[in-house]
Amino acid sequence: GNSVTQMEGPVTLSEEAFLTINCTYTATGYPSLFWYVQYPGEGLQLLLKATKADDKGSNKGFEATYRKETTSFHLEKGSVQVSDSAVYFCALSGRNAGNMLTFGGGTRLMVKP
Amino acid sequence: GAVVSQHPSWVICKSGTSVKIECRSLDFQATTMFWYRQFPKQSLMLMATSNEGSKATYEQGVEKDKFLINHASLTLSTLTVTSAHPEDSSFYICSAAGTSGRAGNEQFFGPGTRLTVL
Repeated sequence: GNSVTQMEGPVTLSEEAFLTINCTYTATGYPSLFWYVQYPGEGLQLLLKATKADDKGSNKGFEATYRKETTSFHLEKGSVQVSDSAVYFCALSGRNAGNMLTFGGGTRLMVKP
Repeated sequence: GAVVSQHPSWVICKSGTSVKIECRSLDFQATTMFWYRQFPKQSLMLMATSNEGSKATYEQGVEKDKFLINHASLTLSTLTVTSAHPEDSSFYICSAAGTSGRAGNEQFFGPGTRLTVL
């Protein structure tokens, strides 16, 4: 079956530091890959996505590249801000999964001023 | 992106009462809606998937008589927690997916409902 593994948190960084949150997946076929962000007390917001190999999703300074050869979709940001503090979820959706998402465990990011 | 709302955003109830949570797709037709439960500092756990006009499909371990799901229209699904107990306290999140157009086949999430059972 499908599965998503992401690095455990919390990840604590100083403002303007470089961020990487690792995500690897197991899936049959060619899934779509997503990063969602959850701010305290809120639901999930789609941060970025990629639907095929070598696609790069980007939004708000965050980037992730769909790497089929390493089955990875690592999230990166060059310079984090305090406002980026949140929980980040990596997820995949299989081609024939009827929109169903498989989530990773989530990684909490804390950015200190 | 498409917008999904949930109501209420938080609710406190007494043990033994039932609580209904609404999930609405505001600007697209949601052929499929999903209900998730999230415990503190944990990931989302899929509870059930519902297609408009059909019975919901529950994940293993989720009591269908405890968590009643109705998806009567293409813009509304409801989750009723029946005879709630303190262990049902959690953050409940819905999502909705269409099949084409603005929503495409992507899931859009509601803001969540925090349920506290005293």
